[in-house]
Amino acid sequence: QKEVEQDPGPLSVPEGAIVSLNCTYSNSAFQYFMWYRQYSRKGPELLMYTYSSGNKEDGRFTAQVDKSSKYISLFIRDSQPSDSATYLCAFGSNDYKLSFGAGTTVTVRA
Amino acid sequence: GAGVSQSPSNKVTEKGKDVELRCDPISGHTALYWYRQSLGQGLEFLIYFQGNSAPDKSGLPSDRFSAERTGGSVSTLTIQRTQQEDSAVYLCASSLEGASIAQYFGPGTRLTVL
Repeated sequence: QKEVEQDPGPLSVPEGAIVSLNCTYSNSAFQYFMWYRQYSRKGPELLMYTYSSGNKEDGRFTAQVDKSSKYISLFIRDSQPSDSATYLCAFGSNDYKLSFGAGTTVTVRA
Repeated sequence: GAGVSQSPSNKVTEKGKDVELRCDPISGHTALYWYRQSLGQGLEFLIYFQGNSAPDKSGLPSDRFSAERTGGSVSTLTIQRTQQEDSAVYLCASSLEGASIAQYFGPGTRLTVL
């Protein structure tokens, strides 16, 4: 079993739709839960991070963590064509080594 | 301000040749990380530098891979006797402090080994 599982998609939605992305993990030592966005031919950029179970909102983005189920989600409301990118979940424990999902490719159609 | 920069952006080489990939971290960032991103795979940790401490090389896949960081700033990742399975995007990241989850990534070097 992989340490991190993420559905690679691709996911295609119309503009204005809600995008729902998720990852599962198996390492109970993970304490930090992150989402990165990666545009084509660019490096990943940190979108959101959280330390605890529950929801965290930032504008149109909501990150959700369920530690009991080892499941995290990212929701994008009112999606825009500029949200078209690959979204990577990432996890950290008590050191600097992050574990990443393979990424989900999202296309928002105008 | 300037972000993390990497060069070259693309590198095509023949099997068996050596390659050097360069990373310029954000000025003032003490920690530097190298990752490898293969098609359909998540980012794979390669090596970590923090200040003057000995680097953590635990992620390097073989002894053909080495890295150094000069003067606490620029880093070079060297791959000797390249193999086709080395083809990937090599990403460098830096952070203000060590052991930070707030890592800032460069655009990567796309390596293709023919």
